[in-house]
Order: sequence, then structure tokens, then C-alpha cells
Amino acid sequence: GENVEQHPSTLSVQEGDSAVIKCTYSDSASNYFPWYKQELGKRPQLIIDIRSNVGEKKDQRIAVTLNKTAKHFSLHITETQPEDSAVYFCAAIKDSSASKIIFGSGTRLSIRP
Amino acid sequence: KAGVTQTPRYLIKTRGQQVTLSCSPISGHRSVSWYQQTPGQGLQFLFEYFSETQRNKGNFPGRFSGRQFSNSRSEMNVSTLELGDSALYLCASSWDGANVLTFGAGSRLTVL
Repeated sequence: GENVEQHPSTLSVQEGDSAVIKCTYSDSASNYFPWYKQELGKRPQLIIDIRSNVGEKKDQRIAVTLNKTAKHFSLHITETQPEDSAVYFCAAIKDSSASKIIFGSGTRLSIRP
Repeated sequence: KAGVTQTPRYLIKTRGQQVTLSCSPISGHRSVSWYQQTPGQGLQFLFEYFSETQRNKGNFPGRFSGRQFSNSRSEMNVSTLELGDSALYLCASSWDGANVLTFGAGSRLTVL
């Protein structure tokens, strides 16, 4: 079945610096890759997603890149701010009928003031 | 519009008891999926229901079960509770089950 590996498990960066989280998936048929952010004590929320027909997508300070050949995708956060501190989860989904969404193990991002 | 509503938000049970959790999806969403989240763990997929049918199931024992009603509301049940079942149980709804998930606030279960 689908397996998603996420690294690193924890990440601490200085405020204003960039943060990068990487995920690798096993099923080459995966074609939808969302990222969820879970702040402490809150529910996970979608922050950005990308489909297999594009290589990069940006939304203000957040970007996601996809390398289908290597089967990995990454979340990039630039100019990090304290409110970026959270746990981030990636997922790789095969097709529109795939309802078993397997998440990566999560990355706890801490922003140092 | 209203978000995903989970009840109860907190509950305490003892080993051997059973528990039922409820999830009301966003209006119009037909898919409800359930996840278990424990400290230090990610989001472990339990199962997903679409139009009252279970479409997928994760690697959890048979003590974990669920169902979905005609109004798309879903319940999950855990029987013969074990200490290791203590966790935050999150449900998420979506229109079709595979795209954008909207999560509820979760039901935090403590088993003593």
C-alpha cells in the first residue's frame, strides 16, 4: 500500500529564516499532495496542495514543489514567523476514488525568536 | 456554513468499557473519515465512509468500528477499551473522500 515518509521529525529555525520539510511517497500513481498544519491544541487544516500536473505552487510565504520522477515533494516556508510554529503533515493520494489518505508522520516546526 | 462537529469533546472511560463518538460533517459532504492521533504519533487512518458504506479501513483491530447514517453523520465505536486507546480521535469530512479534508476539533478519549 501507499507509504509516506516525512523528514525531519522536528525542525527549529530562527525567525525570518526558511524552513523545508520533505516527503517521499511510494506509489507512483499518486497524483494529489496536500499539506496540513496543526497548531497546538487545534485541528489540522489544509495550507497548500499540489497536483501531479504541476511542479510547483506558491501561496505567499508557502510553496510546495513536486518531483514525480524521484517521488518526493517538499514544503517551503520563507521568512518564518512565530505563528508558523506547528506540526505539519504531508499526504500522497492516488486518485479521486482513493479515500484511504495516509499521512506522513509529521514535522514539529519551532520558530526561535 | 457550519464546520465539522464532533461530540463529545472529552471523555474518560475505564478499561473494558466501550465508547461511541459522533461526527457531523459539513453539509453536502458525503465522506467522513476517522483518524487516531496519539502523542508523538501522526494521524493514523481508521476508516472512511461514503454514502453509508465503508470504503476503506486502516490497520486497527476489530474493536474499532463505525457507521454512517443517511444524513452523512458518522459514529465510531471502540469496544473493550484498552489503555492504549487513549488518544485524540479526529474525524474529517470531504465531498468525495480524497480531496480537501475539513477536520473536526476531535474527541479526546482517556482510558483509565
